Amino acid sequence: DVKVTQSSRYLVKRTGEKVFLECVQDMDHENMFWYRQDPGLGLRLIYFSYDVKMKEKGDIPEGYSVSREKKERFSLILESASTNQTSMYLCASSLVGGLGEQYFGPGTRLTVT
Amino acid sequence: GEDVEQSLFLSVREGDSSVINCTYTDSSSTYLYWYKQEPGAGLQLLTYIFSNMDMKQDQRLTVLLNKKDKHLSLRIADTQTGDSAIYFCAERHDRGSTLGRLYFGRGTQLTVWP
Repeated sequence: DVKVTQSSRYLVKRTGEKVFLECVQDMDHENMFWYRQDPGLGLRLIYFSYDVKMKEKGDIPEGYSVSREKKERFSLILESASTNQTSMYLCASSLVGGLGEQYFGPGTRLTVT
Repeated sequence: GEDVEQSLFLSVREGDSSVINCTYTDSSSTYLYWYKQEPGAGLQLLTYIFSNMDMKQDQRLTVLLNKKDKHLSLRIADTQTGDSAIYFCAERHDRGSTLGRLYFGRGTQLTVWP
């Protein structure tokens, strides 16, 4: 069974804290993605990576950074968390080519107070 | 911008058919997808259609593609309460730096009443 796991289901952090969200996939996928999901706005792409140490900005990269040191792991970093980063964060992965479907993790509900 | 459009809400009675509509942006999209998100969970691929097809049927699901109008629809026959979820339409572009990226609509919340 294909699997994408995220380090936490729920996280509460204070304004100004540095926050790490971790995502691990066990399918040897080249592509990995970080989205945030907000009511009425759907999924918005923050960053994606198509190879180790490679990254591309998505539509809303401001306030975020990413790290991909190993193929299976993609980390999202909030350097200084703010209340407007309270959201559901979803990680996904996919193969290059073929159907290209993305497999999603269960999500991390982050609250910044 | 890359805007995939879909209505936000749909309510149906159990046993009726549901039709969720989507308009996408890129006539060169190779694959179009429907994802389902149940409460508190990530997205799961429900079905997909390749761009050279007009229709795809999979048990209770029928996907129709109108490339001329860039319109995609998902029909769920005999809708059940377990079908209540958010349904996302997505398109895939295969060019340049967007390789592998999917563009998602905002999602349609389907509510099924018993």
